[in-house]
Amino acid sequence: AQSVTQPDIHITVSEGASLELRCNYSYGATPYLFWYVQSPGQGLQLLLKYFSGDTLVQGIKGFEAEFKRSQSSFNLRKPSVHWSDAAEYFCAVDVNAGGTSYGKLTFGQGTILTVHP
Amino acid sequence: GAGVSQSPSNKVTEKGKDVELRCDPISGHTALYWYRQSLGQGLEFLIYFQGNSAPDKSGLPSDRFSAERTGGSVSTLTIQRTQQEDSAVYLCASSSDRGQPQHFGDGTRLSIL
Repeated sequence: AQSVTQPDIHITVSEGASLELRCNYSYGATPYLFWYVQSPGQGLQLLLKYFSGDTLVQGIKGFEAEFKRSQSSFNLRKPSVHWSDAAEYFCAVDVNAGGTSYGKLTFGQGTILTVHP
Repeated sequence: GAGVSQSPSNKVTEKGKDVELRCDPISGHTALYWYRQSLGQGLEFLIYFQGNSAPDKSGLPSDRFSAERTGGSVSTLTIQRTQQEDSAVYLCASSSDRGQPQHFGDGTRLSIL
């Protein structure tokens, strides 16, 4: 079965520092890939997605992610973190067969981001 | 509103009672999903509706869980004879089609006493 791994449960950075959150997936083909962010008491907000094409994708709030097929990774980055970025971040995959999605998302365990002033 | 709406936002009930959770998807979205978020299990897929097709129920944890989607819009997730392990946040999402980005509601926090 496919799986998604976010190796870091908790990351702490200083405001203004750069950020990279790691995500690896286990699946034979390239799934559709997503990053979501969740603030306390809120649902999940989509940051960005990768379906195909350019491996560097831009998202909202200044986030970007790079798909690396050879490493089965889809890491999330931001050059300068703001205090409002403190939240929990989830990587998710939508397995597909020949480009046809199975519909359901499989999520990683999440990474909690703390931002120090 | 423009987003996915879920009600109630919080539900506290006694063990053994039945509960119904409601989801109102984004207008025009043909796909609707239910997920469960708990401390021990993380985010888990429960069930998926796509248009008029039979739902994918492969994530439902037991036969106490069921869901329906009426008129291709509003969905209700029902949990019968609730157990303490059912305590979790139940999230609903919708998308314009299968494979398209899913937009989530704020969830229903269910607490079983």
